Amino acid sequence: SYVLTQPPSVSVAPGKTARITCGGNDIGRKSVHWYQQIPGQAPVLVISYDTDRPSGIPERFSGSTSGSTATLTISRVEAGDEADYYCQVWDRPSGHPVFGGGTKLTVL
Amino acid sequence: EVQLLESGGGLVQPGGSLRLSCAASGFIFSNFAMSWVRQAPGEGLEWVSSITGSGDSTSYADSVKGRFTVSRANSRNTLYLQMNNLRVEDTAIYYCAKDTSAMDVWGQGTTVTVSS
Repeated sequence: SYVLTQPPSVSVAPGKTARITCGGNDIGRKSVHWYQQIPGQAPVLVISYDTDRPSGIPERFSGSTSGSTATLTISRVEAGDEADYYCQVWDRPSGHPVFGGGTKLTVL
Repeated sequence: EVQLLESGGGLVQPGGSLRLSCAASGFIFSNFAMSWVRQAPGEGLEWVSSITGSGDSTSYADSVKGRFTVSRANSRNTLYLQMNNLRVEDTAIYYCAKDTSAMDVWGQGTTVTVSS
């Protein structure tokens, strides 16, 4: 089955830029969605279809894809951005969603 | 306001059964596929099951196939997950989500604990 690979952790200082990657075979041919999960809360969609930002999500959040990697970029990181972030695609061959293992973002 | 509210979680012994419910409001429920996603303690998100808007097609993760059944009552704006022959490894928070390929609305989750 399709596998999405994320780094377990990323650390960044406040005000700097965080980049969280998501690797998968031919991921550029799939639509990638990103979720933020603050500890103790339900996941929230922050980027859909590679680059779209849902209503209410700050412009500091952006998404991109290149080759076999999708990237979630968080600019001007704030303490409140500290959370787990998950990428997700719809795997057509299996007919179901697939999540990456998640990346814990730590704001130093 | 678009909202999903899960219920039905609890403590159950291995081999037991539970039925989870997810009450939807604020959108035309029958127009959208719905999914169940779970999260074991300290672990990541795991897709469990999905159902189309009409309910005529369902899919399951291999880990629950044959034991879990997803269904919906569009007249009641409610999604269900019938879980039978529960195992210790099914212990998790279970979330329902509105699924348009992206899961754009999530409930707060309901906790299922399988333990003797």
